[in-house]
Amino acid sequence: DAGITQSPRHKVTETGTPVTLRCHQTENHRYMYWYRQDPGHGLRLIHYSYGVKDTDKGEVSDGYSVSRSKTEDFLLTLESATSSQTSVYFCAIGGNYGYTFGSGTRLTVV
Amino acid sequence: GQNIDQPTEMTATEGAIVQINCTYQTSGFNGLFWYQQHAGEAPTFLSYNVLDGLEEKGRFSSFLSRSKGYSYLLLKELQMKDSASYLCAVSPTGANNLFFGTGTRLTVIP
Repeated sequence: DAGITQSPRHKVTETGTPVTLRCHQTENHRYMYWYRQDPGHGLRLIHYSYGVKDTDKGEVSDGYSVSRSKTEDFLLTLESATSSQTSVYFCAIGGNYGYTFGSGTRLTVV
Repeated sequence: GQNIDQPTEMTATEGAIVQINCTYQTSGFNGLFWYQQHAGEAPTFLSYNVLDGLEEKGRFSSFLSRSKGYSYLLLKELQMKDSASYLCAVSPTGANNLFFGTGTRLTVIP
């Protein structure tokens, strides 16, 4: 869906380096979310935002931080990447009436 | 806490009917969603149930029983392109995000 884009699509990084993933939306949605998806665990919420500069933690927030300085952009930062953060990361917009997902970012930490 | 259960894998034959079950225990209930996810792609919305009963949309139907904490997704006239993972997700009362089950991987065979 052109209304929500993620970058990069793929990234390989080394343990201990910082990494930032970007989510951009053109739908003017108030709520934005970051999930990770791992085999056997499904989609798990990392952080979400309910407005500019308003964010909250999800169930797997340790090791991650987020920022939202504009309605359109929601950034996810891994301060010091670890191998356990190798995953597929999905951004979503919407709310408790359903989501639209971005195409995902496949992150590999070596 | 939230608990959502669905079978890990299912196999069905092209042209047949398959039912994918989902049971949930959540702190309040604001709706249940089904998403389809093809390998390597983002989840896409299939259905939303908030009241008891059956919602039909073409070859796909979704059923909800709130008293039993139970839903199913029914796929009729299966096609090869229906091979995908099917994610059950619940919106609990007072939450601003969805909680996902681990997904059911459906394989359609000729």
